[in-house]
Amino acid sequence: NAGVTQTPKFQVLKTGQSMTLQCAQDMNHEYMSWYRQDPGMGLRLIHYSVGAGITDQGEVPNGYNVSRSTTEDFPLRLLSAAPSQTSVYFCASSYSWQGSTDTQYFGPGTRLTVL
Amino acid sequence: QKEVEQDPGPLSVPEGAIVSLNCTYSNSAFQYFMWYRQYSRKGPELLMYTYSSGNKEDGRFTAQVDKSSKYISLFIRDSQPSDSATYLCAMRKHRGSTLGRLYFGRGTQLTVWP
Repeated sequence: NAGVTQTPKFQVLKTGQSMTLQCAQDMNHEYMSWYRQDPGMGLRLIHYSVGAGITDQGEVPNGYNVSRSTTEDFPLRLLSAAPSQTSVYFCASSYSWQGSTDTQYFGPGTRLTVL
Repeated sequence: QKEVEQDPGPLSVPEGAIVSLNCTYSNSAFQYFMWYRQYSRKGPELLMYTYSSGNKEDGRFTAQVDKSSKYISLFIRDSQPSDSATYLCAMRKHRGSTLGRLYFGRGTQLTVWP
């Protein structure tokens, strides 16, 4: 298994540009989520999905869109990039969102800089 | 006030020291408690998972949960330079609409020097 994969690893955008961060998992996990990690702020949840076709907002959803058309993929779209979106983005997945012992596996991250 | 509080450090100890990392939380709905380890420029990886109160040991690592005090700890015995990383506590609720969501502390940066 490749686990959770993310592309690209690095990205530089100009203010106002749009882009999609890709996330895929090959573990047949129901639950997928996107976090951003900023210095001193820890991991903050952006959006999550409990299954194909079902998404919901997390703690910091503004400026981001998601969709979940398949179990494997959960792309994160930046609609109009702003410098405040400069961060490291992590995708995570877990087998279930209801299980008492399920936990989340993280991808390697995408480092995004918005100029 | 964040629901999960964690002192970001940094914490610097000599090799062989016992390390104590802590988090406090405010919501009694948290029942599942985790510690993640994150090496520089990598994604977090699960280190320890505990349910409710009590201790759990895995090699040099011990996780403790005190629900009455809303306080969790991670102890690292005989610390090694390879333990140098950021340690994040995380927790999940046992009921409610945000059942699957993890709530993270800010992370504590640990350096173990030879």
